[in-house]
Amino acid sequence: DTEVTQTPKHLVMGMTNKKSLKCEQHMGHRAMYWYKQKAKKPPELMFVYSYEKLSINESVPSRFSPECPNSSLLNLHLHALQPEDSALYLCASSRTLTGLNTEAFFGQGTRLTVV
Amino acid sequence: RKEVEQDPGPFNVPEGATVAFNCTYSNSASQSFFWYRQDCRKEPKLLMSVYSSGNEDGRFTAQLNRASQYISLLIRDSKLSDSATYLCVVTAIGDSNYQLIWGAGTKLIIKP
Repeated sequence: DTEVTQTPKHLVMGMTNKKSLKCEQHMGHRAMYWYKQKAKKPPELMFVYSYEKLSINESVPSRFSPECPNSSLLNLHLHALQPEDSALYLCASSRTLTGLNTEAFFGQGTRLTVV
Repeated sequence: RKEVEQDPGPFNVPEGATVAFNCTYSNSASQSFFWYRQDCRKEPKLLMSVYSSGNEDGRFTAQLNRASQYISLLIRDSKLSDSATYLCVVTAIGDSNYQLIWGAGTKLIIKP
């Protein structure tokens, strides 16, 4: 089973709204990732958690706030987003962040539209 | 020079042909290498990890050339369903620094 589940699949939110994206995996993976992907571009890494600790923050604006409540769950809290933040948000997980077994498996993504 | 470079394509290839992509990387300390495929409006899916000795999975063969700093993907007997964007991913670990870099992707179109 290489399943990463993301909810919701689609989200439309206003610039003053607060919303959260959710990601779940039950593969025992200890690294989890948030990516943002715009059309015809590769995924851009946003955050990486390793063993529930934030390991990498790629200078993401504070209107995006990640949270890792436990080893299976990863959230991305959204607040005061801009229309240019509209994109596909992808969650991924891998067994570890470094060394062997770093192949990442992706969820289906949340397609976010900010109006 | 970009840290990970791929020919964006598109590669227009007849069904049944063999097609090869390269991906070059600039960080000689790179340690892990992967090929992903992504269909339009879908998530990336892991195609293959790339090992130093090279690896094969059915019609797909991946190679790593550390001396020249590139990885390659060969697809034999291409099928219509191979049409997708192929992305390479390279990771490197330095002193207090972890890099995970995606190429921009190569678009492949298989024609009947």
